[in-house]
Amino acid sequence: NAGVMQNPRHLVRRRGQEARLRCSPMKGHSHVYWYRQLPEEGLKFMVYLQKENIIDESGMPKERFSAEFPKEGPSILRIQQVVRGDSAAYFCASSLAGLNYNEQFFGPGTRLTVL
Amino acid sequence: GEDVEQSLFLSVREGDSSVINCTYTDSSSTYLYWYKQEPGAGLQLLTYIFSNMDMKQDQRLTVLLNKKDKHLSLRIADTQTGDSAIYFCAEGYSGAGSYQLTFGKGTKLSVIP
Repeated sequence: NAGVMQNPRHLVRRRGQEARLRCSPMKGHSHVYWYRQLPEEGLKFMVYLQKENIIDESGMPKERFSAEFPKEGPSILRIQQVVRGDSAAYFCASSLAGLNYNEQFFGPGTRLTVL
Repeated sequence: GEDVEQSLFLSVREGDSSVINCTYTDSSSTYLYWYKQEPGAGLQLLTYIFSNMDMKQDQRLTVLLNKKDKHLSLRIADTQTGDSAIYFCAEGYSGAGSYQLTFGKGTKLSVIP
């Protein structure tokens, strides 16, 4: 009964490179959320996706960041041309449904370090 | 905008009670949550309370909600060393087509043996 899986757990990139973070939701969950946790901060909502659809990306930076959740395979958070300020822990969560209260189950996170 | 505030550190002796406090700003929040994060791990939902309740008890955990003051607290009875972690308060609200969580910065609980 695997929970939410994220990989890699740690990712090191140099400025200007691309970072791709993957998230496999819990079995049976079709709603995925991405959050970012900057050092010594709380988690901030970035984007909410269902299969093949971005539902709410109000928390995503306007440039360089994109997310997808294809019909098959994991959800991907992609950061192009990374900068030092992108260094953070990126958490994925999944839920059974997306409206009102539905428990969001969190993955262990990917810790991105930009050199 | 939405904002959740909580103190950053709390230190208690093993066996004592811990009380972690949180204030939030969005009066339209439907649920309020407490999550626990152990080092290097993701967030684990501890408990939640619906916004029209004022108290919820779950074994060693007691959540108190003062909706008028927008104040939420988590009490852990008989605190154990295994309770050492960062505790996040979060509020949930319906945003642009989705249900979003807004988190505080977390309170680091240290339990002294």
